[in-house]
Amino acid sequence: AIWMTQSPSLLSASTGDRVTISCRMSQGISSYLAWYQQKPGKAPELLIYAASTLQSGVPSRFSGSGSGTDFTLTISCLQSEDFATYYCQQYYSFPWTFGQGTKVEIK
Amino acid sequence: QVQLVQSGAEVKKPGASVKVSCKASGYTFTGYYMHWVRQAPGQGLEWMGRINPNSGGTNYAQKFQGRVTMTRDTSISTAYMELSRLRSDDTAVYYCARSLSYGDPTPADYWGQGTLVTVSS
Repeated sequence: AIWMTQSPSLLSASTGDRVTISCRMSQGISSYLAWYQQKPGKAPELLIYAASTLQSGVPSRFSGSGSGTDFTLTISCLQSEDFATYYCQQYYSFPWTFGQGTKVEIK
Repeated sequence: QVQLVQSGAEVKKPGASVKVSCKASGYTFTGYYMHWVRQAPGQGLEWMGRINPNSGGTNYAQKFQGRVTMTRDTSISTAYMELSRLRSDDTAVYYCARSLSYGDPTPADYWGQGTLVTVSS
């Protein structure tokens, strides 16, 4: 299985901040990486796929970059509705694997 | 609009089996893979496997091989996930999730609301 290290696990930030979450893979996955947002008691929502493609309806303040083994999710100007947990996920090969999650909390 | 509606919460005893359903609407059911992902309380996401609703073909995570069975009924656009020989650490919310497109590889875009399965004696 392909494993990933997602960091940080907890991120304290204020509205308007620019935040960055990283995901490092145990082996190269080309650009087959997705980012999900999950709020308490809700299902995950797809934000970005193919490392940098914004899912339809997702605000442009979200962006993704990277390929191979190192990937980044950036939120350019944090809004109140962005406080949530974020997961990276590789879909290059089975089994799909997810990062441990990054909880973005209010500072 | 695409919707995935899952069956209700279940409480099971250790050693029992559980079968969770996922009814799809708003798209061609046989045109997209259906995945199953679970999340233990306060934990991260864990992929269990997927089914091709068109052919019935499956791919399971090795961890669940021999205990999980994914099926579908195309006449009612419903996918099922059955997990047997339940243990307390199978207590989790189980999600179905549709693939973004039919081609491989592709992530999941639409997710069901989740079904809480509690395993307790």
